[in-house]
Amino acid sequence: QKEVEQNSGPLSVPEGAIASLNCTYSDRGSQSFFWYRQYSGKSPELIMSIYSNGDKEDGRFTAQLNKASQYVSLLIRDSQPSDSATYLCAVMYGYQKVTFGTGTKLQVIP
Amino acid sequence: EAQVTQNPRYLITVTGKKLTVTCSQNMNHEYMSWYRQDPGLGLRQIYYSMNVEVTDKGDVPEGYKVSRKEKRNFPLILESPSPNQTSLYFCASSLSVRGSAHYGYTFGSGTRLTVV
Repeated sequence: QKEVEQNSGPLSVPEGAIASLNCTYSDRGSQSFFWYRQYSGKSPELIMSIYSNGDKEDGRFTAQLNKASQYVSLLIRDSQPSDSATYLCAVMYGYQKVTFGTGTKLQVIP
Repeated sequence: EAQVTQNPRYLITVTGKKLTVTCSQNMNHEYMSWYRQDPGLGLRQIYYSMNVEVTDKGDVPEGYKVSRKEKRNFPLILESPSPNQTSLYFCASSLSVRGSAHYGYTFGSGTRLTVV
């Protein structure tokens, strides 16, 4: 079974700081990588997708992918209390199965 | 509004009583999937479907059935529910280009199932 690993946290950062969330995956053949945000009691929502090595920026969010190290990360700049949620890393294997990590809980302290 | 609709939102049932959780999407997505979410275990894929009449097992398919007779609908069937199937279930869909790419899921609101 393919694995996606995340630190469960909680990761606490002060308001305005950069939050750094990390994820490793087991299959070198993976091609598609995603970050989802899940507020308590809600369904996950897609915030970033990345397919190539390097950085991808969208507003305050930057996804970073390093396929050689099997590592994907999410940076949240200028963290806000509204960013407090669980962040799920997901990896697509073979263009069919999508496996999620167990998530990292982020707390942004005002 | 583009969405994935699951019903019911909450369901309490008894062991062995067959149930169906419905899922419908209005985005003409090819790829649909069911997940269950449990504390400490995260989201685990139950079944997925690449298109009409094409389904395959995910990581935890035991005790579940699915069908994909129409592109928009992907019901999850528990023919003989047991207490270990008590969980939060999510249906999700994604645009997929001939199975060669996946653009990220849109999730339904979830179904909280309790089997007693």
